Amino acid sequence: AQTVTQSQPEMSVQEAETVTLSCTYDTSENNYYLFWYKQPPSRQMILVIRQEAYKQQNATENRFSVNFQKAAKSFSLKISDSQLGDTAMYFCAFMNPPNFGNEKLTFGTGTRLTIIP
Amino acid sequence: EAGVVQSPRYKIIEKKQPVAFWCNPISGHNTLYWYLQNLGQGPELLIRYENEEAVDDSQLPKDRFSAERLKGVDSTLKIQPAELGDSAVYLCASSLAGNEQYFGPGTRLTVT
Repeated sequence: AQTVTQSQPEMSVQEAETVTLSCTYDTSENNYYLFWYKQPPSRQMILVIRQEAYKQQNATENRFSVNFQKAAKSFSLKISDSQLGDTAMYFCAFMNPPNFGNEKLTFGTGTRLTIIP
Repeated sequence: EAGVVQSPRYKIIEKKQPVAFWCNPISGHNTLYWYLQNLGQGPELLIRYENEEAVDDSQLPKDRFSAERLKGVDSTLKIQPAELGDSAVYLCASSLAGNEQYFGPGTRLTVT
């Protein structure tokens, strides 16, 4: 079974600074998807960024980028120019690709990120 | 386009009472998921539907939990009877053919 580990329960950073959230995972599969989700106090789980394991290029979405190290099974999220609205719980998640027969998300325990004005 | 809709947003019940949660997925999404999120934890899958078929219910406590998606669109998750340990957030998500999952706002259940 796949497992996802987030070793930083809480982090805080000054507004406009850069912060990196860590995630490691364990799987015996070669092809899979990795995600970062953001969950603000409203509880709505929002997709931040997605990475397909077969792609060597790291995904980026505006201020959000990942450092995907497949051999090390590491998938960190970097938030640049952090904003107050980035304050939320961040979850790393693993998923087998579609049509594999097990398309459930396996989540880590989350990192609570606080952006300080 | 409307997102995943869930109701109610909050529910408080006494233990041993029944409770039901409703979810309407994004239009056209054939796959629907129910997740349980305990306080301070990541969500865990309870059940996954492809159209009206439950294809993964291995984590659903079937002695007290049930779910249905009769017409392959909206879905209902029921607990009967509720226990104190069922207090949590119940999240519904949908996807198109198992791709990216989009979540609803969740239902926060408190059992007293």
